[in-house]
Amino acid sequence: IVLTQSPGTLSLSPGERATLSCRASQSVSSSYLAWYQLKPGQAPRLLIYGASTRATGTPDRFSGSGSGTDFTLTISRLEAEDFAVYYCQQYGSSPGTFGQGTKVEIK
Amino acid sequence: QLQLQESGPGLVKPSESLSLTCTVSGDSISSRSSYWGWIRQPPGKSLEWIGTIYYSGTSYYYNPSLKSRVTISLDTSKTHFSLKLSSVTAADTAVYYCARGDGWAGHNWFDPWGQGTLVTVSS
Repeated sequence: IVLTQSPGTLSLSPGERATLSCRASQSVSSSYLAWYQLKPGQAPRLLIYGASTRATGTPDRFSGSGSGTDFTLTISRLEAEDFAVYYCQQYGSSPGTFGQGTKVEIK
Repeated sequence: QLQLQESGPGLVKPSESLSLTCTVSGDSISSRSSYWGWIRQPPGKSLEWIGTIYYSGTSYYYNPSLKSRVTISLDTSKTHFSLKLSSVTAADTAVYYCARGDGWAGHNWFDPWGQGTLVTVSS
């Protein structure tokens, strides 16, 4: 399954809302989709799994939604530590695959 | 708190084998039903799942695109697991991450991850 994320880059200010899209080339079974945050030099961080379940420690300003082929990660109010690259991953079909990433940068 | 740390050579020659180790601390690899996996990210590209091994060491799952060259193993003391990738080329240059997997056979999301280690394939 090919995952296409959009936009490639999102330029926003702290306090603004971020909406990241992940579209699958075919339906992701049972919403088996995860979101990760990557920052340079740091371990990647799981944010969301099962399309909408927050991982332990994920702030509630992060929310995931969607089903089938269209999924969204929303950050309700951006904080300074949220500027990073975000990847979606489907694990319903093997092999699991990742999107190409969305960079959220400071405007 | 579970932590993972990758280690191994940062430079490998073409046609040779790449070997990495992931040391697990803060919990035992065999303390619960978990999967232990490897993911990589070539420079400027996205993430690619390489494979996972079940905590018992009895089952493993590999990405078909790498299956003929990959071996993931678990040490008998259950403190680390390893990746071996044979016949490497420049296309195998990447940051390699190890991680714990949740889910089921070959269908995993990953948490936590190690910080990653850059492996460059060059003569």
